[in-house]
Amino acid sequence: KAGVTQTPRYLIKTRGQQVTLSCSPISGHRSVSWYQQTPGQGLQFLFEYFSETQRNKGNFPGRFSGRQFSNSRSEMNVSTLELGDSALYLCASSSGLYQETQYFGPGTRLLVL
Amino acid sequence: GQNIDQPTEMTATEGAIVQINCTYQTSGFNGLFWYQQHAGEAPTFLSYNVLDGLEEKGRFSSFLSRSKGYSYLLLKELQMKDSASYLCAVSGNSGYSTLTFGKGTMLLVSP
Repeated sequence: KAGVTQTPRYLIKTRGQQVTLSCSPISGHRSVSWYQQTPGQGLQFLFEYFSETQRNKGNFPGRFSGRQFSNSRSEMNVSTLELGDSALYLCASSSGLYQETQYFGPGTRLLVL
Repeated sequence: GQNIDQPTEMTATEGAIVQINCTYQTSGFNGLFWYQQHAGEAPTFLSYNVLDGLEEKGRFSSFLSRSKGYSYLLLKELQMKDSASYLCAVSGNSGYSTLTFGKGTMLLVSP
């Protein structure tokens, strides 16, 4: 089975712009979770989508949003970018069943200038 | 809320054994995961503990004590390729796929 894929892998934006990141889960997986990873804060949970519905949300401002399509692919969007949004954005897929293991994609490294 | 603590850095020698500790304080707990992350790469799954005790998987073992809010990852016969960050993550009681991660322990294995 192919693993989790994320596009793009690298991105440079300027403050105030918006960005859309994409994640394709492992075939058959219906849950996609998004995380932000920074050196200071580590991995922090953004949100989780299951069957096109947001099931859970972390403590991030409303500038961070996401969605999931019928084929389980997911996108996250960050509007009005700030310098502090520079990070590695990771998505993870799982079956969505209780306590199933999450498998991570390679991430999108976002640099905001 | 959830609070997960693990050491920031550890060093060890090739062939040795190292134990990476993780303590957690959570409002709900259903299980604990360990992931390995090499620099510039995605985290990869190592182990999952839901019941007290030791889970062994090759050179890696993970232990959990729910009453003490404590886990450790034991790496035996260390190899240079084990140099990586090791992430402890707790699954809460929401029943959904949400993990709260510690900040990771950077392990450096030297010859």
